[in-house]
Amino acid sequence: QSVLTQPPSVSGAPGQRVTISCTGSSSNIGAGYEVHWYQQLPGTAPKLLIYGSRNRPSGVPDRFSASKSGTSASLAITGLQAEDEADYYCQSFDTSLSGVFGGGTKLTVL
Amino acid sequence: QVQLQESGPGLVEPSQTLSLTCTVSGGSISSGGYYWSWIRQHPGKGLEWIGYTHNSGSTDNNPSLRSRVTISADTSKNHFSLKLSSVTAADTAFYYCARAYCSGGSCYRFAFDVWGQGTMVTVSS
Repeated sequence: QSVLTQPPSVSGAPGQRVTISCTGSSSNIGAGYEVHWYQQLPGTAPKLLIYGSRNRPSGVPDRFSASKSGTSASLAITGLQAEDEADYYCQSFDTSLSGVFGGGTKLTVL
Repeated sequence: QVQLQESGPGLVEPSQTLSLTCTVSGGSISSGGYYWSWIRQHPGKGLEWIGYTHNSGSTDNNPSLRSRVTISADTSKNHFSLKLSSVTAADTAFYYCARAYCSGGSCYRFAFDVWGQGTMVTVSS
């Protein structure tokens, strides 16, 4: 059981917008710590999608965006494409547990 | 462009020490103020941060593993290492090394922008 809670799965049709939530607590996201997001395609290492709660590294399409409010954060993907089908993880810092990942969300493109 | 490569035994006996090395190429492990981490992923499961070392000498580990984990860097060999003692079957996982992202003078300890390809370690007799 992760301290950052993500939905196990989300789905959407090509072209649609989907969001993935990451719910924490006052000891992590709610304490103001940054949230980072990763995409993991099958059989590959994770890829950094978002750092510092809302920033995209160079090369990440602007279809990916993220926000943070209170004890939660969310990742939004617009213009869904088949290649977006992957597992997505949020991560933050927890005052008791240090670096913590969410349990992951499997995105299915219908 | 910095690249990371994990190496080490793919099979470790229970109660022994798991030892992995992450070799850094395309850059120096001792420059830039980067944090160098180990992360693992149990088969079919999510990601678990193990710990990091920083070129200042500071380290931090996952509290659930802290008593068993040692992470260190060897700047002469441009690599950093993970030692996990007293392993059990629960330590069977894919192990990744990764570098934390730095931009504009700020480093994000847990935003990993460069990853190794990972190495599978099985704990079994």
